[in-house]
Amino acid sequence: KAGVTQTPRYLIKTRGQQVTLSCSPISGHRSVSWYQQTPGQGLQFLFEYFSETQRNKGNFPGRFSGRQFSNSRSEMNVSTLELGDSALYLCASSLDRGKNGYTFGSGTRLTVV
Amino acid sequence: GQNIDQPTEMTATEGAIVQINCTYQTSGFNGLFWYQQHAGEAPTFLSYNVLDGLEEKGRFSSFLSRSKGYSYLLLRELQMKDSASYFCARGGRRALTFGSGTRLQVQP
Repeated sequence: KAGVTQTPRYLIKTRGQQVTLSCSPISGHRSVSWYQQTPGQGLQFLFEYFSETQRNKGNFPGRFSGRQFSNSRSEMNVSTLELGDSALYLCASSLDRGKNGYTFGSGTRLTVV
Repeated sequence: GQNIDQPTEMTATEGAIVQINCTYQTSGFNGLFWYQQHAGEAPTFLSYNVLDGLEEKGRFSSFLSRSKGYSYLLLRELQMKDSASYFCARGGRRALTFGSGTRLQVQP
């Protein structure tokens, strides 16, 4: 079965711009969570969606937002980009938040210049 | 990571055994996960423990003690390809909360 698909793989943006990242979960998975990975901060939780509803949100400013569609695909948006937003953004889908684990996509590498 | 501690780096020899420890905050606990991440790749799921005890999967085993807020990942018969970062992650209200990761270097 297809894995978690994230697009685009790489992105370069300028400070002040906004960006939208996409994540298609494994078929049948309704939970999608997003993480930011940087060398200094590790993997930080951004938010989680389940059946089109945001279930939880991490400690990120309001410039970071997301949504989930009826087909479980999810998007995250970052507005007014800052240099510090440069990171690998990973999404993970889960069937049951438990024993089957969370399956990660390959990520979107965002560089803000 | 938030209240999740694991060693930053470890080095071991090919063919040997290595144990990576992880301590975590017990409140809101909903399972302990271990992930492996090779440089430039996505994290891959290794194991999940929700009850006390040892779970074995081939060369990898994971242990959990809920009362102590403690887990470890045991890797046996180390291979060069096991060189990677290993993350413990606590399941809970916020999906996964990750430790900062342990970079394991396997030497010949």
